[in-house]
Amino acid sequence: DQQVKQNSPSLSVQEGRISILNCDYTNSMFDYFLWYKKYPAEGPTFLISISSIKDKNEDGRFTVFLNKSAKHLSLHIVPSQPGDSAVYFCAASERTSYDKVIFGPGTSLSVIP
Amino acid sequence: EPEVTQTPSHQVTQMGQEVILRCVPISNHLYFYWYRQILGQKVEFLVSFYNNEISEKSEIFDDQFSVERPDGSNFTLKIRSTKLEDSAMYFCASSEAHWEELFFGEGSRLTVL
Repeated sequence: DQQVKQNSPSLSVQEGRISILNCDYTNSMFDYFLWYKKYPAEGPTFLISISSIKDKNEDGRFTVFLNKSAKHLSLHIVPSQPGDSAVYFCAASERTSYDKVIFGPGTSLSVIP
Repeated sequence: EPEVTQTPSHQVTQMGQEVILRCVPISNHLYFYWYRQILGQKVEFLVSFYNNEISEKSEIFDDQFSVERPDGSNFTLKIRSTKLEDSAMYFCASSEAHWEELFFGEGSRLTVL
C-alpha cells in the first residue's frame, strides 16, 4: 500500500531555477511531514519538516507547502544549485499516535549547471 | 557535528548465515530505528526501539530479525538466517524525540549470495 506517493521518479532543472518536488499522501491521519535528501552511498539527511497545523515552512532556499485538503505537499528549492542533485524523499507520520514514518519512493533531482 | 555511525559498510555473506549490523546512534538520542532500501526500491521501515524494547515493527521484521542495545552505545540488527532477498542497504537512524527528525547513518550494504 502506497500511503506516500511521489509520482515523478526524476526531475531535471537548470541551475538558478526553481525545483518543485511533489508528494501526495492517502492517510488523512498523517499530521507531520518531512523531506529527506539522499546522496548515493549515503544515508538520508533530514531537510525540512512541516506540521499539519501549518501550510508553509521555510528554511533558507527550501520551502515546504502543505495542502491538507488535497493531501498534497511540495518542496520548493530556489535557486537550485548543482549540489542539490540528489534523491529527495517525502515522509509522513501520525505523530500524535506515534505511528512510524512512512517514506515515499523518492524523486531524483538533477540540477544542470 | 554528531553523527550516526554504522559498521560494516559492506558485508557479503552466504545464504543461511547469520549477520549482525552495528550502529552507534547519536549519544543523547533515545529512539533508534532500522530502515532498509533494496536496490532501486523505496526506503522501508523495519523497526523502532526505545527504552530497551521494540516499540514498533513492520511486516518485514519477522522472526529472522532481532535488535538489541547490548552496551548502552551500540544498537545492533541481527538477521538469523539470511535469504537472497535480504540483500539491501540497511540504514540505522536515531532521534531525540519519537518520530521527530531522524538522523541516519551512511548505511551498511548487505549482499547475500
